[in-house]
Amino acid sequence: DGGITQSPKYLFRKEGQNVTLSCEQNLNHDAMYWYRQDPGQGLRLIYYSQIVNDFQKGDIAEGYSVSREKKESFPLTVTSAQKNPTAFYLCASSTPGQHNEKLFFGSGTQLSVL
Amino acid sequence: AQRVTQPEKLLSVFKGAPVELKCNYSYSGSPELFWYVQYSRQRLQLLLRHISRESIKGFTADLNKGETSFHLKKPFAQEEDSAMYYCALWGYQKVTFGTGTKLQVIP
Repeated sequence: DGGITQSPKYLFRKEGQNVTLSCEQNLNHDAMYWYRQDPGQGLRLIYYSQIVNDFQKGDIAEGYSVSREKKESFPLTVTSAQKNPTAFYLCASSTPGQHNEKLFFGSGTQLSVL
Repeated sequence: AQRVTQPEKLLSVFKGAPVELKCNYSYSGSPELFWYVQYSRQRLQLLLRHISRESIKGFTADLNKGETSFHLKKPFAQEEDSAMYYCALWGYQKVTFGTGTKLQVIP
């Protein structure tokens, strides 16, 4: 069960605190993604990165930040500006090439506010 | 903008009955469409993609560009099909998911 690893599995945030979710992949994929999963809302894209040192905002980037300093790592920081951070966060990476795209998902991190 | 719509949050069917999970999309280019499945306590995983025109676990999905739909079908539901199903569109550089449909197969 390797490939893409998220940690921790559960995370608790206090008011006004920034927390960072880890995502590491050993699949040699260029592209990586962060999604937020809420009941009844499906998966919503937070940020994505097609290549090292480059990333773009997704549909709900406000209150989040990312970095992509290494190909295998794409950490997500949930800042104090995110007013409703409680959710299940999924990281994914994708295979390259047209018509060969496939997303590989991590096992997720459940973030809760204390 | 790209958008995926799954109108049903929950679909309950009896074992052996046909299943159709609806998916409609909006995209200005030529879409790449997928179905992902999440079984209880498991990771989200690819079920099938339209480009492959494959049948996986008895499921099929046909891309209908005229109706902008990519409905997932199975002729006879099995209990092990109970899961969350997400339709996804691979547009320019990013993947957009629908809100998901929970399929409940009643024994």
